[in-house]
Amino acid sequence: DVKVTQSSRYLVKRTGEKVFLECVQDMDHENMFWYRQDPGLGLRLIYFSYDVKMKEKGDIPEGYSVSREKKERFSLILESASTNQTSMYLCASKRGSATTFVYEQYFGPGTRLTVT
Amino acid sequence: AQKVTQAQTEISVVEKEDVTLDCVYETRDTTYYLFWYKQPPSGELVFLIRRNSFDEQNEISGRYSWNFQKSTSSFNFTITASQVVDSAVYFCALSEVLSGGGNKLTFGTGTQLKVEL
Repeated sequence: DVKVTQSSRYLVKRTGEKVFLECVQDMDHENMFWYRQDPGLGLRLIYFSYDVKMKEKGDIPEGYSVSREKKERFSLILESASTNQTSMYLCASKRGSATTFVYEQYFGPGTRLTVT
Repeated sequence: AQKVTQAQTEISVVEKEDVTLDCVYETRDTTYYLFWYKQPPSGELVFLIRRNSFDEQNEISGRYSWNFQKSTSSFNFTITASQVVDSAVYFCALSEVLSGGGNKLTFGTGTQLKVEL
């Protein structure tokens, strides 16, 4: 069965802290994605990756960075957390090459991050 | 730019009623895919259906059906005889080809469906 796991379901951090959100998929998918979900705004793409060590900016990359050292793992980093980064963060993965858009994305359960 | 509009923020129905969730999209791509996802209270988005831009046949899967009309840029989702377990947020999404050759999904803002006894 397809599985995307995220390191935490709930996380509380202080303003200015460096925050790491981890995502692991066991499907050998090439593509991985990080979204944030906010009420009334739907899902917005932060960063994505087509392959190991590759990354592309999404629609709202400011304040975030990512790391993909291994195919199965995609990390989202908040360099200096701010209160406006309080949100639900969703990770997803998808098979196929960078140009293949026919396949669906598989999502993890999400991490609800609160920055105080 | 691509856009997906789900005008219905929240819908409440009584169990066994039929309900239609609307999705209207904008794209300049000639080839594209549309998706529906369900997000139950547990939080994990679950894939429901994929439809490519060249296939306008309606699709039925059990109590679920989808109506794709290219002429009106709509991809609506109907649940027949709704059940409490259908309560969730439903997202419509559109594939987008990027200038660098990659692709991503553009999501609508979602429709919260509440099915009550």
